[in-house]
Amino acid sequence: AQKITQTQPGMFVQEKEAVTLDCTYDTSDQSYGLFWYKQPSSGEMIFLIYQGSYDEQNATEGRYSLNFQKARKSANLVISASQLGDSAMYFCAMREGGQTGANNLFFGTGTRLTVIP
Amino acid sequence: DVKVTQSSRYLVKRTGEKVFLECVQDMDHENMFWYRQDPGLGLRLIYFSYDVKMKEKGDIPEGYSVSREKKERFSLILESASTNQTSMYLCASSLFGGNQPQHFGDGTRLSIL
Repeated sequence: AQKITQTQPGMFVQEKEAVTLDCTYDTSDQSYGLFWYKQPSSGEMIFLIYQGSYDEQNATEGRYSLNFQKARKSANLVISASQLGDSAMYFCAMREGGQTGANNLFFGTGTRLTVIP
Repeated sequence: DVKVTQSSRYLVKRTGEKVFLECVQDMDHENMFWYRQDPGLGLRLIYFSYDVKMKEKGDIPEGYSVSREKKERFSLILESASTNQTSMYLCASSLFGGNQPQHFGDGTRLSIL
């Protein structure tokens, strides 16, 4: 079974509008972490935001927020006030297990976001 | 800023060759990782290392080996390159701890002819 599922291969959003990128995960661990990365066409992976499974508040970083719904096992990324530079592939990833040790990640297949002027 | 440097941006090799992909990080990170990225499949973990001379298999280790002789350097080795190893290879590093993000290099696009 897929540990991370991103069901939207591609999304379009108008500049200055908000957009939600979906991510669901599958784990039986109680302690885990969820990450979002951005990959522009140049290829580098840029870390955006992190949510721990025990964090009570949804994570926010500038225009990025993570809508964490633990019971539904979803960790959607919300980008507010979209900019042309937000056009990129976005990957959701999960780390299973506790906060110590190696933090190897399971990645989803990604969502390609296109911001329309 | 963390800097993860991969030795080549583009590489073309022939079937059967032994191929070395090098990765160096400058932030004294304990953990280092090698992924391959293919369209529609996302990133898949090949190997990772949480200390010098330590290595652990990821999801797709077959046909690959790794070496970590120094903390800052993590090498991926294709013992006998095959065409199905044509892919984008990404190296990453992170501090020890499950909430630490991985920092990625720019990737090496490897073509095996």
